[in-house]
Amino acid sequence: SSELTQDPAVSVALGQTVRITCQGDSLRSYYASWYQQKPGQAPILVIYGKNNRPSGIPDRFSGSSSGNTASLTITGAQAEDEADYYCNSRDSNVVFGGGTKLTVL
Amino acid sequence: QVQLQESGPGLVKPSQTLSLTCTVSGGSISSGGYYWSWIRQHPGKGLEWIGYISYSGSTYYNPSLKSRVTISVDTSKNQFSLRLSSVTAADTAMYYCARYFGSDKRVEYYFDYWGQGTLVTVSS
Repeated sequence: SSELTQDPAVSVALGQTVRITCQGDSLRSYYASWYQQKPGQAPILVIYGKNNRPSGIPDRFSGSSSGNTASLTITGAQAEDEADYYCNSRDSNVVFGGGTKLTVL
Repeated sequence: QVQLQESGPGLVKPSQTLSLTCTVSGGSISSGGYYWSWIRQHPGKGLEWIGYISYSGSTYYNPSLKSRVTISVDTSKNQFSLRLSSVTAADTAMYYCARYFGSDKRVEYYFDYWGQGTLVTVSS
């Protein structure tokens, strides 16, 4: 089915590591891409493919995938990482996950 | 650096047609391998893919919106456009245009460039 499931909210202490997950059948066929969206701003791509970061994205962001689950890991979370994160993939349709609100404590 | 900019009315009356244009700069819309996309976000909600078009005019739409959506491309102006007919208050949202790129061979697709978005309100 064309659905991607994310936890609505996750929190992490400053400087600690956090994993945001995305589940869906389409992830067995295609890698997820991940987007960061801060309030009042357009989303930006942070991870795509197996584990690729666009230019300008800090290396504390990484991606992984296993079976029907994709993960975005932030190693050493910073205050500026507080944002909504969306996964995206495709099979017969292009679909986004519902988003995860990350709070950095 | 590719840049995308949405333009169009910020207020549309119910039952009318929403029309938006995305102007691409810093790159040609005719470059192969890309799909030019529309995505929307209802207030306080998540992202919803609307559809995309290739430079050659091939289109693919979200099935939930397909009956009301038309996406077209004007390569001479380096623009692509969205038309959404018979709008209701449920179509009030921020509308983004974005470039979609990927490969079935590498099993990866992603939206690498986004416009800043334009808020469209449906109200009489």
